[in-house]
Amino acid sequence: DIVMTQSPDSLAVSLGERATINCKSSQSVLYNSNNKNYLAWYQQKPGQPPKLLIYWASTRDSGVPDRFSGSGSGTDFTLTISSLQAEDVAVYYCQQYYSTPYTFGQGTKLEIK
Amino acid sequence: QVQLVESGGGVVQPGRSLRLSCAASGFTVSSYALHWVRQAPGKGLEWVAVISYDGSNKHYADSVKGRFTISRDNSKNTLYLQMDSLRAEDTAVYYCARPEGGPYFHHWGQGTLVSVSS
Repeated sequence: DIVMTQSPDSLAVSLGERATINCKSSQSVLYNSNNKNYLAWYQQKPGQPPKLLIYWASTRDSGVPDRFSGSGSGTDFTLTISSLQAEDVAVYYCQQYYSTPYTFGQGTKLEIK
Repeated sequence: QVQLVESGGGVVQPGRSLRLSCAASGFTVSSYALHWVRQAPGKGLEWVAVISYDGSNKHYADSVKGRFTISRDNSKNTLYLQMDSLRAEDTAVYYCARPEGGPYFHHWGQGTLVSVSS
């Protein structure tokens, strides 16, 4: 199984500042045949299902603000929020969909400093 | 619009069974693989199982393999999860999820809570 490890577990950032969450996979999630990274990012607020933010490691889902961006390749990935807004307080998860079982990171809790 | 509505959760004793349902609408259900994902109280997300668009292929997490069975009835636009030999560690909110373009989860239901307790 591919193990996904996020860092940090929690993060406090001031409004308007940059937030960076890292995700590392235990093996590459890059498919050489199509040069795509099988990595997604989700945002989850209390009492709600997760919301897809990013797929293919760097493609923003429709309607997701452009302050959210994803980067990385192979085994190391980053979710960046360029200017933190109050509504961004949530838990963020990465997920690999390279192979079953499709595994998630343990989550990163993002708060306002 | 795409809607996924889970039902069937509740309180059940260890060792007993429960069947969850996910009613899908707003899209051609028979064209998509469907997944179950769960989340224990205060914990992270755990992928549970996937079934192909026609039901011919199924995959499970090791933690549920041999105890849970995923199935679907495309004529009823419904996904199921038969959960047998339930354990306390199966206590979670169970979500059904639909992918879009790849097995990342673009659409989620609101979830149904399963509590396994004596």
